Amino acid sequence: KAGVTQTPRYLIKTRGQQVTLSCSPISGHRSVSWYQQTPGQGLQFLFEYFSETQRNKGNFPGRFSGRQFSNSRSEMNVSTLELGDSALYLCASSPGRAADTQYFGPGTRLTVL
Amino acid sequence: QKEVEQNSGPLSVPEGAIASLNCTYSDRGSQSFFWYRQYSGKSPELIMFIYSNGDKEDGRFTAQLNKASQYVSLLIRDSQPSDSATYLCAGGTYNNNDMRFGAGTRLTVKP
Repeated sequence: KAGVTQTPRYLIKTRGQQVTLSCSPISGHRSVSWYQQTPGQGLQFLFEYFSETQRNKGNFPGRFSGRQFSNSRSEMNVSTLELGDSALYLCASSPGRAADTQYFGPGTRLTVL
Repeated sequence: QKEVEQNSGPLSVPEGAIASLNCTYSDRGSQSFFWYRQYSGKSPELIMFIYSNGDKEDGRFTAQLNKASQYVSLLIRDSQPSDSATYLCAGGTYNNNDMRFGAGTRLTVKP
């Protein structure tokens, strides 16, 4: 089976812009979770989607949003970018529940200038 | 209080030694536990998962779970320089449908 894929792999934006990141889960996996990873904060949970519904949300401002499509592919959007949004954004898929084994994609490295 | 806690390290062991990584969790509702390895600049990759009390072995890796003490550990036998990475502990809670990660322990295996 192909693994989790994320696009783009690298992104450079300027403050105030918005960005959309994409994640395709492992075939058959219906749960997609998004994380932000920074050196100081570690892995921070953003949100989890299952069957096009957000089931869980972390403690991030409303500038961070996401969605899931009927084929389980997911996107996350960050509006009005801030310097502090520079991070590695990871998505992970699991068969059905976020508490089950999660498999990570390669991540999208976002740099905000 | 962090829900999953790990010693950030760095932990340094000589090649061939046993590396012992530890993790504690605060949510007694956690039912699934995972160890991920993350090389610098890469994404986490799953090493092992454990659901039941006791030990689970896979090659050079042994995961140990003690739910009464809310403690999870990972032993790496015959450590190799290629094991040098950050190891993330995670606990999953089905009731809350979430997974919580520790901050990770950086391991260095010296040749």
